Order: sequence, then structure tokens, then C-alpha cells
Amino acid sequence: DVVMTQSPLSLPVTLGQPASISCRSSQSLVHSDGNTYLNWFQQRPGHSPRRLIYRVSTRDSGVPDRFSGSGSGTDYTLKISRVEAEDVGVYYCMQGTHWPRTFGRGTKVEIK
Amino acid sequence: EVQLVESGGGLVQPGGSLRLSCAASGFTFSIYWISWVRQAPGRGLEWVANIKEDGSEKYYVDSVKGRFTISRDNAKNSVYLQMSSLRADDTAVYYCAREDDFNTFDYWGQGTLVTVSS
Repeated sequence: DVVMTQSPLSLPVTLGQPASISCRSSQSLVHSDGNTYLNWFQQRPGHSPRRLIYRVSTRDSGVPDRFSGSGSGTDYTLKISRVEAEDVGVYYCMQGTHWPRTFGRGTKVEIK
Repeated sequence: EVQLVESGGGLVQPGGSLRLSCAASGFTFSIYWISWVRQAPGRGLEWVANIKEDGSEKYYVDSVKGRFTISRDNAKNSVYLQMSSLRADDTAVYYCAREDDFNTFDYWGQGTLVTVSS
């Protein structure tokens, strides 16, 4: 199985400051169809996961543009340009290129 | 509005069985793959199983193969997860999630808690 390694696992951030989460895969996530199926999910406390970004950098409808995704091959990043209070939660990367689908362990974002 | 509503969770003894249901609404159910994803208490997310639009293909994570069975009824807009030979490490919130064309999960239900304990 493809192992997704996130860092850091805990990220204390000051309101209004940027945040960055790294996700590294054990294999390239470039699919044979040419697409890269790397996704980011947000899980707020007590809620179900919500997808933020798919195919590395495409934001879902309604996702604020302070969230951005980038990367290629085996290294990917989720950035929050200016953290707001509502961004508190756990963020997961997930690969959809290989079977089975696998998730990172999650990065907990909290306010300092 | 797309909605996925899970039900059927509860407390079950080790070795027991349980059937989860996921009722979908707000979209054309019969043209989407559906997955079950679980989250053990305080832990991360694990994909468990999925089923093709017409039910002709089903896939499972290794740890549940031979114990769990996924099925669907397109006439009832529902997906099911029959779980047997349950173990303590199956304890988790089970989510159903819709799969889109990008090999990912675009909508999730609210989850149903399964607790395996004596």
C-alpha cells in the first residue's frame, strides 16, 4: 500500500499567519492516465471530513481561496495563507491513484 | 442538496455481526461509486470498501476481506455494509462517501459509531 506521510502532526498557528502542511507519498501519485490524484480534507472537531482540494490544486466549491495545494511526484503541500479561527481541525492528505486509497495520519491545526 | 445518512451502528460483542446502511438523496445515486471509510476513536481515516454503480465490482481493504460485504440497492438509493466476525479493532465511526470522477470522496455522511466490546 502507498504510505502517506504528513508533517508536522501538530501545527500551532497564530491567527492571521500562514500555515503549511507537507504530505509525502511512498510512490509517485502520477496515474497512468496522466492525472495526479492527491486530495486534501479538513475535519473540524465533531464533524465529518470535508474535501478542500482534489487533483493536487483544484479547490472545491465554497472553499476559501486562502487554501491552496501544490506539489508533484511524491511531495505535496497544503498552504493556508492567513489562518482564521474556523480553520481549526485536522487536515488529511489522501491519494486516489493507487489501490487501496490511503490517507495520511493527519495534521492538527490549532490556534496559539 | 446531496445527503448521505448512515445508520445501524451500535454496541456488539466480539465475533458478532452488524449491518450498516447508507441512505442517499439529492443526486442520481445509480451513477456513482460509493465507499465506506472508517475512523477509529482519536485516529485517522481508513478506506474500507467500495462498490461500483451497478454493484458489479466491489473492493475491500485487506483487513476486512472475508468478514465484510458491501452491497447496494439502487431502487432504494442505499448502500449497505454487512460486518461479521467483528473484532475490537473494528471499533470506529463508519462514514459512507460518494466517489466522484477524480478518484476521491466529494460528499460524506455524518457517520455511525460501531463499538465492538464485551
